[in-house]
Amino acid sequence: SYVLTQPPSVSVAPGKTARITCGGDKIETKSVHWYQQKPGQAPVMVIYYDSDRPSEIPERFSGSNSGNTATLTISRVEAGDEADYYCQVWDSSSDHPWVFGGGTKLTVL
Amino acid sequence: QVHLVQSGAEVRKPGASVKVSCKASGNTFTTYYIHWVRQAPGQGLEWMGIINPSGGSRTYSTTYAHKFQGRVTMTRDTSTNTVYMELSSLTSDDTAVYYCARVQEGGSDFDYWGQGTLVTVSS
Repeated sequence: SYVLTQPPSVSVAPGKTARITCGGDKIETKSVHWYQQKPGQAPVMVIYYDSDRPSEIPERFSGSNSGNTATLTISRVEAGDEADYYCQVWDSSSDHPWVFGGGTKLTVL
Repeated sequence: QVHLVQSGAEVRKPGASVKVSCKASGNTFTTYYIHWVRQAPGQGLEWMGIINPSGGSRTYSTTYAHKFQGRVTMTRDTSTNTVYMELSSLTSDDTAVYYCARVQEGGSDFDYWGQGTLVTVSS
């Protein structure tokens, strides 16, 4: 089955830019979605189809997808952005088509 | 606005079964797919399966992750807009928060999630 690889943790100072990567074989051929999960809460979608953003998500959140890496970028990071972030794809050729990355803990210093 | 409201926390003994419900606001089941995703304590998200309410209000199909085949059953009740996920032969490894989540027809992103149901398996 398709594998998505994320760094376990990323740290950033407030006001700086955080970049969270999601690696996968030829991931650029797939649509990547990103979810934010705060402690004790359900995940919330922050980016869908590589770079689209739900209306309620701040413009500081953006996404890109190229080659073997998709990236979630959070600009002007705030304390409230501290959370776990998961990438997800749908792999039509797999018998386990709905795949999540292992998640990245974003720490705001 | 779509709301997915799940049933409350459950405690089961090893070997038992548990059935979790997910009730959607509005008549979404003929247009959307409902998935189940679980999260063990301190762990990531794990996809369990999907129930596809296609084919009209009386028929639906399911697809389960290999890991859960033979132990999981997903059903729906269109009269109450509720989907159910039953997991049998529980072990301590099944202790987790179970989420239902919606995917629009033709899409691949989980746009709405239930609040989660904690299932604890303990003797």
